[in-house]
Amino acid sequence: EIVLTQSPGTLSLSPGERATLSCRASQSVTSSYLSWYQQKPGQAPRLLIYGASSRATGIPDRFSGSGSGTDFTLTISRLEPEDFAVYYCQQYGSSLFTFGPGTKVDIK
Amino acid sequence: QVQLVESGGGLVNPGGSLRLSCAASGFTFSDNYMSWIRQGPGKGLEWVSYISSGSGSNINYADSVKGRFTISRDNAKNSLYLQMNSLRAEDTAVYYCARRAAAGRAFDYWGQGTLVTVSS
Repeated sequence: EIVLTQSPGTLSLSPGERATLSCRASQSVTSSYLSWYQQKPGQAPRLLIYGASSRATGIPDRFSGSGSGTDFTLTISRLEPEDFAVYYCQQYGSSLFTFGPGTKVDIK
Repeated sequence: QVQLVESGGGLVNPGGSLRLSCAASGFTFSDNYMSWIRQGPGKGLEWVSYISSGSGSNINYADSVKGRFTISRDNAKNSLYLQMNSLRAEDTAVYYCARRAAAGRAFDYWGQGTLVTVSS
């Protein structure tokens, strides 16, 4: 089973700043199968990025994904007030899905 | 619009059973793989199980629930189910049903979740 590690655990930033979130896999992940989600308190997760770099429907272009192999990154170019949330990466491989532990982006 | 609505959660004793349902609308349910994903209180997301489109002949489970949980679907009723037996305290979580996207093995639509609490 592929284990995903996310860093940092918490990222404290101000609105307008750039956020860089890391997702590292214990073994190589098929890029097509690496996704990112945003979750706010009391809400279901929302798909942001699939295939490592493709934005889901309706996702603003300030969100971008990159990476390959074992290292992937979610970048939020300029944080808006509504972007403060928890972000999870997720992969599919060997008929199993796994999620990372999440990165919380909070207001500095 | 796509909607997924879970039901069936509640309080159950350790060792007990519960059946969750997910009613789907706004898309051709039979064409989509579906999954159950859970989130323990204050914890991260854990994938539980998936079932393939059509007849649902392709099924898999997380090791943590294998042998205790059974996923199924009824395309005529546009519904997804999760039969949970031999429940443990560590199964306490919000359970989400989610649609697998056409591309990328991602989950593009999620329900609002239903809370399962396993406690005596």
